[in-house]
Amino acid sequence: RKEVEQDPGPFNVPEGATVAFNCTYSNSASQSFFWYRQDCRKEPKLLMSVYSSGNEDGRFTAQLNRASQYISLLIRDSKLSDSATYLCVARIIGGGMRFGAGTRLTVKP
Amino acid sequence: EPEVTQTPSHQVTQMGQEVILRCVPISNHLYFYWYRQILGQKVEFLVSFYNNEISEKSEIFDDQFSVERPDGSNFTLKIRSTKLEDSAMYFCASTGGSYEQYFGPGTRLTVT
Repeated sequence: RKEVEQDPGPFNVPEGATVAFNCTYSNSASQSFFWYRQDCRKEPKLLMSVYSSGNEDGRFTAQLNRASQYISLLIRDSKLSDSATYLCVARIIGGGMRFGAGTRLTVKP
Repeated sequence: EPEVTQTPSHQVTQMGQEVILRCVPISNHLYFYWYRQILGQKVEFLVSFYNNEISEKSEIFDDQFSVERPDGSNFTLKIRSTKLEDSAMYFCASTGGSYEQYFGPGTRLTVT
């Protein structure tokens, strides 16, 4: 079983749409969770950390449910510049990060 | 804004040759990592390094791989005898007190 699983998409949405990505992780020892974005052939860039209480950064809202080992990302009012692959990440304390395969988003005019 | 740097940006080598990929982590960071991404696949963890020793390594990080922090600024990944399947993008990352890791731009390794 994959450590971190994501719907690969692609998600094709119009500008201004709201889009949600989901992710599950299998290792219950995972302690830290993140969303990264990756543009084609570039390095992953940190989008936001994810906390159990839920957290928001502008148009982006992330949520963690430890009981069901589920992580989500909501993007409101999508912009063309949001087009990228979104990577769900789980990390055990002191260890390296485990990445999902990514969900590809294309925002169209 | 401080950033992780990596050199070279692209390395082409012949199968069986040794390569060294170099990284300069963010200066006040204490934890260092190598990841790789084969074209079209997910980012995979290789190794984490703290206090001059490996703190965790994945099953990918076999005896062909080694890491070193030769001085106060560089962090290197050595592949002793490259194979065709080592062709990938290799990313270095670092973190300070938080768990948020920051990635370098990567080195594209092509083994022919």
